Amino acid sequence: DAKTTQPPSMDCAEGRAANLPCNHSTISGNEYVYWYRQIHSQGPQYIIHGLKNNETNEMASLIITEDRKSSTLILPHATLRDTAVYYCIVRVGNRDDKIIFGKGTRLHILP
Amino acid sequence: GAVVSQHPSRVICKSGTSVKIECRSLDFQATTMFWYRQFPKQSLMLMATSNEGSKATYEQGVEKDKFLINHASLTLSTLTVTSAHPEDSSFYICSASPGTGVYEQYFGPGTRLTVT
Repeated sequence: DAKTTQPPSMDCAEGRAANLPCNHSTISGNEYVYWYRQIHSQGPQYIIHGLKNNETNEMASLIITEDRKSSTLILPHATLRDTAVYYCIVRVGNRDDKIIFGKGTRLHILP
Repeated sequence: GAVVSQHPSRVICKSGTSVKIECRSLDFQATTMFWYRQFPKQSLMLMATSNEGSKATYEQGVEKDKFLINHASLTLSTLTVTSAHPEDSSFYICSASPGTGVYEQYFGPGTRLTVT
């Protein structure tokens, strides 16, 4: 079973920041928080991951609470192309560590 | 990022026939690849873990004799759906992980299988 809880859907206006929450209250000390997204009829795309510090890359920022029980993925300036299902995943992150997908959050970007 | 390809992207086959789907890591070696299946409006479901040079590990409820997995090289894994039936129609996706340290997995673009 997935170890995360996400809202089933969210709306965001184009050009605004999209903030996607994720709860992972049972996360272990050696587990990372990963975010992937899946645009319709495509394979999932890696976005970002983190252990306990906040992370930023060219796609997004990841904010992890101090107790690591929740996190937020931030898309700073959402565009229509960001419409997708976003998956928050907790895993150890070894090469052989499989990913168990939950239901994710369906993000709709509104023009 | 690393690139994973799948072939074919779409396939239509008749009920009772077998279909082979290829998953390739194009710019890295992958000792482990994963196969997922996704039905419409549902999340990805892990089917099996493909290990180079050894037998695949199947998730509970996945028939190993129906979904044959071969990982003959460090860049290629194949999934063969044997004696396909309409209920096997689905979106099949593979993934692989390169490098060292903390691994992100890279996913292929998926293969849409339709069994008529």
